[in-house]
Amino acid sequence: AQSVSQHNHHVILSEAASLELGCNYSYGGTVNLFWYVQYPGQHLQLLLKYFSGDPLVKGIKGFEAEFIKSKFSFNLRKPSVQWSDTAEYFCAVNGGSYIPTFGRGTSLIVHP
Amino acid sequence: EPEVTQTPSHQVTQMGQEVILRCVPISNHLYFYWYRQILGQKVEFLVSFYNNEISEKSEIFDDQFSVERPDGSNFTLKIRSTKLEDSAMYFCASSEQGAGTGELFFGEGSRLTVL
Repeated sequence: AQSVSQHNHHVILSEAASLELGCNYSYGGTVNLFWYVQYPGQHLQLLLKYFSGDPLVKGIKGFEAEFIKSKFSFNLRKPSVQWSDTAEYFCAVNGGSYIPTFGRGTSLIVHP
Repeated sequence: EPEVTQTPSHQVTQMGQEVILRCVPISNHLYFYWYRQILGQKVEFLVSFYNNEISEKSEIFDDQFSVERPDGSNFTLKIRSTKLEDSAMYFCASSEQGAGTGELFFGEGSRLTVL
């Protein structure tokens, strides 16, 4: 069965700091990987996704993620965060099941 | 921009009562999903629905739960005889293609509190 681990549950940063949120998955075969974001009071929305090709994926709002197959990881990065990036971030994977499995989320707070 | 809408945004109910959570998926989407998130825990898949029938469901989705698309626009989740542990945020999602190939579009969620 596929599973996802997000190791950082709460992250607090100052504006302009760099961000890296960890995501590891468990599944031995081909996977599709996603990062979703939920801004306060809003719905979950897709930040970026990886299906195949270049393992470095660029998403909206300056976010990127790198798929490292050997490490079963899909970490999310942003070189310089803004106050408006304050949100909950969810990593998701689908492999054997076509239904994405989500992690528990990482709460990011950015102080101005 | 088309969006998935969910009602109610928050419902408080007594243990043992039945609850219906409603969702209006994006109009040209064919695949519908319910997820839930208990406070502080993972977003958990409940059920997917395609072509007027359940296509996949998780272990959580037992006989207490049912889904329906009663009128071609709404997609409902019914929880019978609610328990305290059903308290959670319930998210509806839809996709144009299957979840494996396409992006899921989520609603803002319905918070259910069972007392």
